[in-house]
Amino acid sequence: KAGVTQTPRYLIKTRGQQVTLSCSPISGHRSVSWYQQTPGQGLQFLFEYFSETQRNKGNFPGRFSGRQFSNSRSEMNVSTLELGDSALYLCASGDRVQETQYFGPGTRLLVL
Amino acid sequence: QKEVEQDPGPLSVPEGAIVSLNCTYSNSAFQYFMWYRQYSRKGPELLMYTYSSGNKEDGRFTAQVDKSSKYISLFIRDSQPSDSATYLCAVGDNYGQNFVFGPGTRLSVLP
Repeated sequence: KAGVTQTPRYLIKTRGQQVTLSCSPISGHRSVSWYQQTPGQGLQFLFEYFSETQRNKGNFPGRFSGRQFSNSRSEMNVSTLELGDSALYLCASGDRVQETQYFGPGTRLLVL
Repeated sequence: QKEVEQDPGPLSVPEGAIVSLNCTYSNSAFQYFMWYRQYSRKGPELLMYTYSSGNKEDGRFTAQVDKSSKYISLFIRDSQPSDSATYLCAVGDNYGQNFVFGPGTRLSVLP
C-alpha cells in the first residue's frame, strides 16, 4: 500500500500571503489529521476530518482551515501568513477505528 | 500539567547500549499508546503501537505500558547509530479522535 503523500514538500511564502497544502491518505483510510510541528512547540494538533466532516479541532486561529474531499484527500489552507507560521505541517491518516495514525513526510513552510 | 510529558534529552549512548525512553500521561481516558521515530526533516514513522498494559516486543524494540501509573516506556536493545533520531510517544483516546504527542526525546547513538 502506498503511504501518505503530501504536496508540496517545500514552500516559501511572504507575510500576508495564503497557502494551500494537500494530503492524500493511505488507500482505504477515511480520517485525515493535520499537525503543525515546530522546534519550540513540538507536534500540535490542528484538525481532523472524517468522511468530509471536521470531527475534531485544535486550538488554532481561524486563519487555519481545512477540508476533505469525497476521495478522502484533504487540503489545509492558511490565510494571512505570519512569520510564526513557519513550520513543518504534517498530515496523518487513519482508518475508521483510528487506533493509530500514519504520517506523511510533511510540507516544510517558510514564511519570510 | 501537560497531558503528555517526555524528557526532551538529548540522550547520547554508545553503540550497543540499551536505551530506555519514557513518557507519562495525565488522563486515564487514553487507551492507545504509540511510539514514533522521526529522523531529521522527515515525518514521524510509527514504531510500536499497543492498547494494553504490559510489554510488546518487535525485534530490538520493546514497548511497555503501565496504565495504573500512566507511564509508558520504549526500550531499544543493541542500539545502532541508525537509531539516532527523535522518539515521540503518543496517546490516543477510546474514540480515535484525540491523539496527544509528547515533545520527543532526541537520541544519539555514537559509533
